[in-house]
Amino acid sequence: GQNIDQPTEMTATEGAIVQINCTYQTSGFNGLFWYQQHAGEAPTFLSYNVLDGLEEKGRFSSFLSRSKGYSYLLLKELQMKDSASYLCAAMDSNYQLIWGAGTKLIIKP
Amino acid sequence: IAGITQAPTSQILAAGRRMTLRCTQDMRHNAMYWYRQDLGLGLRLIHYSNTAGTTGKGEVPDGYSVSRANTDDFPLTLASAVPSQTSVYFCASSDVTGTGIDTQYFGPGTRLTVL
Repeated sequence: GQNIDQPTEMTATEGAIVQINCTYQTSGFNGLFWYQQHAGEAPTFLSYNVLDGLEEKGRFSSFLSRSKGYSYLLLKELQMKDSASYLCAAMDSNYQLIWGAGTKLIIKP
Repeated sequence: IAGITQAPTSQILAAGRRMTLRCTQDMRHNAMYWYRQDLGLGLRLIHYSNTAGTTGKGEVPDGYSVSRANTDDFPLTLASAVPSQTSVYFCASSDVTGTGIDTQYFGPGTRLTVL
């Protein structure tokens, strides 16, 4: 079956660094997406990885290991506005997204 | 308008009633999707359309129908609503490139309660 696993909740301190992990099992693989979703709002696109390695975009970076079925999202210099849920989604061989349940990130001052 | 709009924003519906959730995009994206989001679960695909005139079933299609008469609109209909269809519904769209489906962009969502 197809499955995405990510932690339910994480807590971090303002100004610190946090890593949100995601493991996936899909029928075929066409890339790994990360989305941010603030409470009561729509998911918004953060990053896409299809090749192994690290992609950096400002304070956010995303890593992929296809052989391990593993990705992480790294958030640096955390700000209070980063408090949100972070959704991991893998694209299968039919180009459909399989979504994790999301990781709720709580930032404390 | 810019992006994707959904209507209504929220709705309380009696069980057994028919309801259509509206979705319109102005980005000229080929593909459109309907998801439902329930607490503790990932987004689940209800129906999708890769291009105007075609539709497909997702992971949880039962009790829902869609149509895609043109590029911009993708309405979702609940023929006879049941309480288990209480959820937040998101419409999304993406462009279809030569290498596959591109990034999905989401509408603001419709919060539906079926009593």
